[in-house]
Amino acid sequence: GQNIDQPTEMTATEGAIVQINCTYQTSGFNGLFWYQQHAGEAPTFLSYNVLDGLEEKGRFSSFLSRSKGYSYLLLKELQMKDSASYLCAGTSGGYIPTFGRGTSLIVHP
Amino acid sequence: EAQVTQNPRYLITVTGKKLTVTCSQNMNHEYMSWYRQDPGLGLRQIYYSMNVEVTDKGDVPEGYKVSRKEKRNFPLILESPSPNQTSLYFCASSGTGPNTGELFFGEGSRLTVL
Repeated sequence: GQNIDQPTEMTATEGAIVQINCTYQTSGFNGLFWYQQHAGEAPTFLSYNVLDGLEEKGRFSSFLSRSKGYSYLLLKELQMKDSASYLCAGTSGGYIPTFGRGTSLIVHP
Repeated sequence: EAQVTQNPRYLITVTGKKLTVTCSQNMNHEYMSWYRQDPGLGLRQIYYSMNVEVTDKGDVPEGYKVSRKEKRNFPLILESPSPNQTSLYFCASSGTGPNTGELFFGEGSRLTVL
């Protein structure tokens, strides 16, 4: 599986932009997922990147650089409801995504 | 409504008392998986199944069993639970393959073993 590394915690202000980084091993890499998980709830799918570049979905965008083993999730116009854990998950070789430990994002007024 | 359903949602049990957490999906997904989530450790995969009668170990399979007799069901069995299996458990499924499509998660089962 992948070695996924992402920051443990981040804080940001309502209305601001925040970037959550994720690094992974490039050997045998297939693609990279981002999930959002509110406390006590199930993770929900945000994005999946296979090719290099930025993919935008409303306020959320996800970026991938395959050569650098690097991805980020960009959240714009932060809202209080964006306070959650953001999970980076990579797949390599087989079919099984390996999850990072998650980044807890705290949005304050 | 497309969903993954886990039961029970909450359970307190005692060491050694066998229990089963059920998981059912109504999306005709081939891939199903069990994860446990512990503070500071993220989601760790216990077992997964690529199809009926095909199961394989994940990262933390010790103390768990699974079966996949039907496509829709993937129960997690704890033959002799121990306190270190106290955790939040998630079942997930995927239709197009977990490396190409999103995972759909159940609501989670919070298990406490005394």
